[in-house]
Amino acid sequence: GAGVSQSPSNKVTEKGKDVELRCDPISGHTALYWYRQSLGQGLEFLIYFQGNSAPDKSGLPSDRFSAERTGGSVSTLTIQRTQQEDSAVYLCASSQLFGTSGRTSTDTQYFGPGTRLTVL
Amino acid sequence: GENVEQHPSTLSVQEGDSAVIKCTYSDSASNYFPWYKQELGKRPQLIIDIRSNVGEKKDQRIAVTLNKTAKHFSLHITETQPEDSAVYFCAASKGNYGQNFVFGPGTRLSVLP
Repeated sequence: GAGVSQSPSNKVTEKGKDVELRCDPISGHTALYWYRQSLGQGLEFLIYFQGNSAPDKSGLPSDRFSAERTGGSVSTLTIQRTQQEDSAVYLCASSQLFGTSGRTSTDTQYFGPGTRLTVL
Repeated sequence: GENVEQHPSTLSVQEGDSAVIKCTYSDSASNYFPWYKQELGKRPQLIIDIRSNVGEKKDQRIAVTLNKTAKHFSLHITETQPEDSAVYFCAASKGNYGQNFVFGPGTRLSVLP
């Protein structure tokens, strides 16, 4: 079936502009995560949505970052007044909390292809 | 909060040799430990995972071992092939409710032909 999709795949913006990044999780997955990955670095947790619960925003680096998830499905990550240090690949992942999926655990996160953000 | 360390940061092995990557975690409540492989320019993909009620799990050339007492887990790749070259990330999570995953910093594995 369809995996996690993200758009745009690449985004170049000027410093100070706002950007919106979109994530379409796998249908039926109730959990959705956003991560940031700088060049050659690991995965930095940003925010986590689970069903109708309040999101865990503990990883957001500043109040310029926000995210929402409408209807328990699509999520958008918004970065206001972008800075050069915001340049990175932004990865979205979703997971299914109940049911089975073969040999993998129900916590398995499936990643999208990422959005490469470049702030000039 | 949870802290996950991963060693080594880079690893080069000859094709056919084994590779071992080790991770330690700090929160004894963590009970789910996945490993992800990320090839250059691609998304991370799950290769194997283990839960805290299991000490070892194997899938063909890949195995993961978990030592709950010492709070460390390891990825073992046998008979390495050039296509195993990638960055490998370990992670730790507290459980069945999709809570935060904390990832290790990654290990860049190079399999030399």
